[in-house]
Amino acid sequence: DAKTTQPNSMESNEEEPVHLPCNHSTISGTDYIHWYRQLPSQGPEYVIHGLTSNVNNRMASLAIAEDRKSSTLILHRATLRDAAVYYCILRDGRAMAQKLVFGQGTRLTINP
Amino acid sequence: DVKVTQSSRYLVKRTGEKVFLECVQDMDHENMFWYRQDPGLGLRLIYFSYDVKMKEKGDIPEGYSVSREKKERFSLILESASTNQTSMYLCASSLQGRDTQYFGPGTRLTVL
Repeated sequence: DAKTTQPNSMESNEEEPVHLPCNHSTISGTDYIHWYRQLPSQGPEYVIHGLTSNVNNRMASLAIAEDRKSSTLILHRATLRDAAVYYCILRDGRAMAQKLVFGQGTRLTINP
Repeated sequence: DVKVTQSSRYLVKRTGEKVFLECVQDMDHENMFWYRQDPGLGLRLIYFSYDVKMKEKGDIPEGYSVSREKKERFSLILESASTNQTSMYLCASSLQGRDTQYFGPGTRLTVL
């Protein structure tokens, strides 16, 4: 699996937007960019994924650079419940059942 | 909503005991996974299954076995528990051909 690089930690304030960066300079053409998050004492949960175009869902937005070597997860209005570790993961779209390779992720702290 | 449940949130066992961790999903997913999560090591895949009675080794299968007799249930077995198997165990499932994995809440196992 291609490697991703994320900052170890970030901090933001409640009700402000949060931009979580991820670098993936060795991404291949068939790799999808996935984001998961893990709240304290819970299993990881899916947030969003994309291939080339920017994506939006009810949880977040994903902005993908034109060269696909980086992406940004955007939480438009952070709440205290968004405090979690966020993982950026690359997945080969051609593969069938395959493991998720979680790196260290970014620990997001939200200040009230 | 997809629901993945694990038999216990917390479990304490003694060295040498046989341990069963159960995982059940209610969305008719073909793929099921067992990971363990340790500080500084991220999530590591132990075993996965893409169909009933089928299993594939992940990255760290030593000391573990699995059973998938029914589509909705995937069991992880520690034949003879050891202290280095103290960890958080996470089960996940996904639909065939889809990348998104849905995780259970995890079982924190302590082996004394």
